[in-house]
This record gives sequence, C-alpha cells and structure tokens, in this order.
Amino acid sequence: SAVISQKPSRDICQRGTSLTIQCQVDSQVTMMFWYRQQPGQSLTLIATANQGSEATYESGFVIDKFPISRPNLTFSTLTVSNMSPEDSSIYLCSVARALSSYNEQFFGPGTRLTVL
Amino acid sequence: KNQVEQSPQSLIILEGKNCTLQCNYTVSPFSNLRWYKQDTGRGPVSLTIMTFSENTKSNGRYTATLDADTKQSSLHITASQLSDSASYICVVRANTGNQFYFGTGTSLTVIP
Repeated sequence: SAVISQKPSRDICQRGTSLTIQCQVDSQVTMMFWYRQQPGQSLTLIATANQGSEATYESGFVIDKFPISRPNLTFSTLTVSNMSPEDSSIYLCSVARALSSYNEQFFGPGTRLTVL
Repeated sequence: KNQVEQSPQSLIILEGKNCTLQCNYTVSPFSNLRWYKQDTGRGPVSLTIMTFSENTKSNGRYTATLDADTKQSSLHITASQLSDSASYICVVRANTGNQFYFGTGTSLTVIP
C-alpha cells in the first residue's frame, strides 16, 4: 500500500487567486495522478504528473490553469490558477507503483476547495 | 466510446440487510475492474479487483462478480453495517495505455 497526504485538507479562496495543493507519498511511486471530483460526481482525471518532465493533461484541462510539478518520485503539486466558483471541488492525488495490468491506484484524502 | 455506468445512483437500506450494486461498462480492450469505497471526506479505497478470467471475488462481507461477456459487474454487500454508508465506485482499466474509466458511483446509506 501507499500512504498519501495532501495539504491543505480544505481551503476557502477568493475568485481570481491561486492555490497550490501538495501531495506527499511515503515511498517512491512510478505514477502520480491528479483528479477532480465535483459535488455528487465521480472522479475526473486532470493530468498525470511526470517526474522530470511536463505533466500529461487530459482533454479539457490545460497547463496554464492547472500547472503541475513533480520534482521527485514522492512529491507533486497541483496549482489551481485564477480560480472561479466553478473550480470549487475536491482535488485528489493518486499514485500507482508500476504500470502493469494489476497495479492498484491509491488515493489521498483529497483537498476540498471552495471558491467564493 | 468507453463508459462505465453504475446503478442505482443511491440506495438506502436497513442495517443487517443485504444489497447489490451494479456496474455496466463498454471499455475495450478490458484489463481489470475495481470496486472502490469512498467514505465522505476521504479518498477512495480499493475493495476488490477483477480480471478477465475471474468471476467472483470476496473481501469479507463484500463479494464482487464479473461477467466479461456481458460486461457487467456487481458488488454484493452482506449483513450491512452503519459503517458501510459510503459511495461505491466502479473503475475499469483499459488494456491499452494508462486509461482508467470511473463510474459515477452509488451512494449507499445504511440506517439503524
């Protein structure tokens, strides 16, 4: 298993500001992902955080809005830039140890973001 | 189009009763299917994983089934407890690339 912590656990932010969410894993992992979960909905993949290179973004998500860093195999950050109320959501960090058919995704506790 | 659909959307049952949650998918080529439990305010936690050759797998009071021909899976919860109240998410992995497809979840409430 993997123990994942996220900071902050929740925040209330003003429109137009930016928030950086941190994800720390207790051991080295191959894959790190960032998801968004809007109220009452399932998880939507924002991007795959790649160590040492630019993140891979899913359709509908762009680097200018959601810049991601991954300086090493245990840490990543997601920034939500120029926030609007539509960005209010839970943001989840997820990790997987190896890209195999049976690798399990482990999820962090999430960061609950409210934008006023 | 690769999709995962779950039913019912929400469910309320009495403590001690059994229930079954459904997951239908169109993901192809299929690699595996996981059921996750997500408690309120927490990240999802894996309950079971089903591969193409597996029909049934149990984890305590949770039993998952898979019919790869009809592309259907179910999660059966036996003798429900108040702590089973959560959202249950079906996730299907494609056998190409790094694609995970998430269902919208079933919200289960167990009442005393």
